[in-house]
Amino acid sequence: GAVVSQHPSWVICKSGTSVKIECRSLDFQATTMFWYRQFPKQSLMLMATSNEGSKATYEQGVEKDKFLINHASLTLSTLTVTSAHPEDSSFYICSASPGQGFYNEQFFGPGTRLTVL
Amino acid sequence: AQSVTQPDIHITVSEGASLELRCNYSYGATPYLFWYVQSPGQGLQLLLKYFSGDTLVQGIKGFEAEFKRSQSSFNLRKPSVHWSDAAEYFCAVEGAGTASKLTFGTGTRLQVTL
Repeated sequence: GAVVSQHPSWVICKSGTSVKIECRSLDFQATTMFWYRQFPKQSLMLMATSNEGSKATYEQGVEKDKFLINHASLTLSTLTVTSAHPEDSSFYICSASPGQGFYNEQFFGPGTRLTVL
Repeated sequence: AQSVTQPDIHITVSEGASLELRCNYSYGATPYLFWYVQSPGQGLQLLLKYFSGDTLVQGIKGFEAEFKRSQSSFNLRKPSVHWSDAAEYFCAVEGAGTASKLTFGTGTRLQVTL
């Protein structure tokens, strides 16, 4: 089956620093990648959608200057949390979809736990 | 905008017992409906999906779900639960024309007792 990896699986950083999270599709090319945020005991909230080679589309209320998304290749997307603060602590999950069309299943990564001190 | 409600935050069942996880959605038209399972350290895995046609959908791992338009529900069922089914289960909806954007419920944590 299609596998999506995320790196790192967890990260602790100091307030004010930036953190980069990588999302890779290991055995397929991902035309579209999605980034979600999950708070404890809450649902996954879509942050942004990115298509390879174009700018990400952010959901309402998500600061694009705060959460920088780059989808430079068909197998890699990165999320950079800039000037992180404690309220950015969360579980970040990416998913990747192989194409565009009627339906393309999203394959999810295992998530990255970010803790900002 | 679409929304999903999973009324049960936590459910405990005995191994071998039947299981039903509830999911209600809100959407103006017929949505695309999904159930995912999330195990610690693993990504969400798709159990089953409904787009149209037969309202009883079969999925992986012995799960099934039934779409009931009149009740705006898409409940997940399994006739006999295994200890390995313990995980977090998410119902999700995708509105037609929303470019694959999924709206998730808050999840139901399933605990299985031996």
